[in-house]
Order: sequence, then structure tokens, then C-alpha cells
Amino acid sequence: QLQLQESGPGLVKPSETLSLTCTVSGGSISSSNHYWGWIRQPPGKGLEWIGNIYYSGSTYYNPSLKSRVTISVDTSKNQFSLKLSSVTAADTAVYYCARQGRTIILPKAAPRWFDPWGQGTLVTVSS
Amino acid sequence: DIQMTQSPSSVSASVGDRVTITCRASQGISSWLAWYQQTPGKAPKLLIYAASSLQSGVPSRFSGGGSGTDFTLTISSLQPEDFATYYCQQANSFPPAFGGGTKVEIK
Repeated sequence: QLQLQESGPGLVKPSETLSLTCTVSGGSISSSNHYWGWIRQPPGKGLEWIGNIYYSGSTYYNPSLKSRVTISVDTSKNQFSLKLSSVTAADTAVYYCARQGRTIILPKAAPRWFDPWGQGTLVTVSS
Repeated sequence: DIQMTQSPSSVSASVGDRVTITCRASQGISSWLAWYQQTPGKAPKLLIYAASSLQSGVPSRFSGGGSGTDFTLTISSLQPEDFATYYCQQANSFPPAFGGGTKVEIK
């Protein structure tokens, strides 16, 4: 059974870079049928998609965060990672990683639903 | 980009009640819609995909419907473990967007 687990610092200072890693177990990250994504949820608020990566390294980012986000993949470790630069208090949130389905509809591929999700990790931005 | 709007934002109901939540997409997404359930302190859990397909292990009291721009999630007989927040997500194109959530509370 596929499982995802987020890891990284729980506290980041303003203006610094948030870095998280998601480790995938019970299956391969090198799946042609899936993307690997990051979603966040500020305390008491809704879900916000941050971005996705395909095992080949192709990335897709939320336009509202694109200038600050970098997602990368390490297929040898079955991991993918998130970097969010120049953080502020508004970036305080629970960060989830998740697998997302991928369907080929020529000439493109389309993103589907997220399943499963990691348990999430709270990242607080504070000095 | 496609925007997702859920209503109501919260609903109070009793055990055994039938509850319906609505999700509207800003443009047509065929049947490319998913529903998630989130309980406090937990990650969202996929309930329904492709608008009406029940994820494995999800009780049959949950059902989804709709296509195009208007979708519904129905809980036929609310159980204590169903008190949670529910989110829809458009699964048609990038960027994948979530609705604002509907909190189902105990009356």
C-alpha cells in the first residue's frame, strides 16, 4: 500500500526558504500514470494546491506561488521535494504531499484526483 | 483558471439526516470532479472521483452527482463519523483547484 511521508523543519524564519521532502514507500515514484504534488492548508482555512512534478522532472506550479516555488524529484531515493522562498507569516500552514492521477488526453496530460495523502507537517514562519 | 465554489459553507444536521453539498465550477469540467472528507488534524481523504465513483472502502451512504459545472455530494443518512469538512476539487486541468469547503456540524 502506497504511503507518503513529509519531513522537514517545523519552523522557518521570515524571508528564508522553506524546504520539505516527501518520501514515497510501497510503490515507485517513476509511474507514468501519476503526478506528485504539494498542497497546503493555513490554520483554520481551506486547501491550496502548490504544485506538481512528474517523475521525468516536468513541473506545474500554482500561478500565485510560481515565482517562489521549486519542486524537484529524486527517483533514486523515491522522493520529491518542495522549496518555497522568501516566506512570510502567510506561508504558515500544514503542508501535505500527495499522489495525483494523470490521464493522457492527446496532445496533453491532465491532472486528476489526489490519493493517497501524507499525514501533513505544520510549518510555522516566525522569527 | 477554473474556480470552484461550494455551498453552503457550513451546515448543521442531526444523525440520520440527509445532507447535500453543492459545488459549482466556473467553466465546464465534464465529470472531472473529486470530493474529499477531512476530519480535524487529519489529511483529506478521497471519497468520490469522476463525480460519482465511490472510492474503495467508502460507505455507500455517500454519493456524488452532476456534470458540466454543477455537482453534488449527498450523505443519505448522517453518521457520527461523518461530521467533518468536505472539499470538492476540479480534476479537469491545471491548476487543480479546491472549493472553499463545507463544514458539517452536529445540530
